[in-house]
Amino acid sequence: EDQVTQSPEALRLQEGESSSLNCSYTVSGLRGLFWYRQDPGKGPEFLFTLYSAGEEKEKERLKATLTKKESFLHITAPKPEDSATYLCAVQTTGFQKLVFGTGTRLLVSP
Amino acid sequence: DSGVTQTPKHLITATGQRVTLRCSPRSGDLSVYWYQQSLDQGLQFLIQYYNGEERAKGNILERFSAQQFPDLHSELNLSSLELGDSALYFCASSGGESPTNEKLFFGSGTQLSVL
Repeated sequence: EDQVTQSPEALRLQEGESSSLNCSYTVSGLRGLFWYRQDPGKGPEFLFTLYSAGEEKEKERLKATLTKKESFLHITAPKPEDSATYLCAVQTTGFQKLVFGTGTRLLVSP
Repeated sequence: DSGVTQTPKHLITATGQRVTLRCSPRSGDLSVYWYQQSLDQGLQFLIQYYNGEERAKGNILERFSAQQFPDLHSELNLSSLELGDSALYFCASSGGESPTNEKLFFGSGTQLSVL
């Protein structure tokens, strides 16, 4: 069965304190790995798609990387507005639906 | 604003009742997806429609059904509601004309509370 596990469940950082969120996956065949950001009371917002091991994508203070078994979302010098839940999802080659992890709740304090 | 519209935003009902959630996709998107989000299970895929036809089915209960209309809006019908159906229900659309475009645009969700 396809599985996506995110860690940690929650992370509290001081403004400017860089860190990484982890997404590990077990799938029959990977078509793509996705990162979404979800703010309270809102729907997830697309951040990145990664397709192959070694690929990296960047957007402002966020950088996503992918290996054959996991993905990292690196947050450099975070600001309070980066506080949100970050969701990882995989799309498999078979069923093609997105399988989401349960997310990492990030809180960045000023 | 994602361009995906969901109504209503909140719904409070009683066990055994039936409700309908409505979704209008982004202009030009032919695919509509329904997801259920609960605190303990995260986002669970329910069903996908593409241009009016069911394309993929996930963990959708038999008490739940959906359809996509010719104008591409979609409705999710939940019947014989149970306490455990309380959750946030999201609609998403994607891909313009592609049925497999994976970049989803989510609506703001419908918070369903079954009392």
